[in-house]
Amino acid sequence: EIVMTQSPATLSVSPGERATLSCRASQSVSSNLAWYQQKPGQVPRLLIYGASTRATGLPARFSGSGSGTEFTLTISSLQSEDFAVYYCQQYNDWPRTFGQGTKVESK
Amino acid sequence: EVQLVESGGGLVKPGGSLRLSCAASGFTFSTYSMNWVRQAPGKGLEWVSSITSTSSPIYYADSVRGRFTISRDNAKNSLYLQMNSLRAEDTAVYYCATSAGSYPNYYFDKWGQGTLVTVSS
Repeated sequence: EIVMTQSPATLSVSPGERATLSCRASQSVSSNLAWYQQKPGQVPRLLIYGASTRATGLPARFSGSGSGTEFTLTISSLQSEDFAVYYCQQYNDWPRTFGQGTKVESK
Repeated sequence: EVQLVESGGGLVKPGGSLRLSCAASGFTFSTYSMNWVRQAPGKGLEWVSSITSTSSPIYYADSVRGRFTISRDNAKNSLYLQMNSLRAEDTAVYYCATSAGSYPNYYFDKWGQGTLVTVSS
């Protein structure tokens, strides 16, 4: 099983600041990496797939990068609606696995 | 617009069974692989099972293999999860989700609102 490790567990950021979230895979997943956002009480929402492709309608302030085992989700200028938990997920192999999540909270 | 509506959740005793359903609309259900993903209270996301458009192959997480069965009825635009021998650790919100991408490398695109399964005596 591919283990996905996200860091940090919690990220405290002020609105307007840049947020950088990391995701590491225990073995290469190529570019088969997705990011999801989940706000409290809401359904997960696909943000990024293919490690760097934004989902339809996603603001350009969100960007994904990386390949192999190291991935990054960057929010260039955090907006109030971006405070949420973010999960990475590999879809290169079975079983599909998620990271434990990074909570982005207001500083 | 894609709509996924889960149903069938509820309170069940350990060892009991439950059948979840996911009614799909707004897309050509029969051509999409589908998935179940769960989230225990206050915890992260856990993939449970996936089924291709033709119902083969099918994949399960080790934690549910042998106890859960995923199936679909393309004529009814519906996805199912039969859950047997339920345990307390199966307590979670269960989401159905569509697949997107190129076979076999699918990610989870659209998600339903989820249905809560509580396993407790």
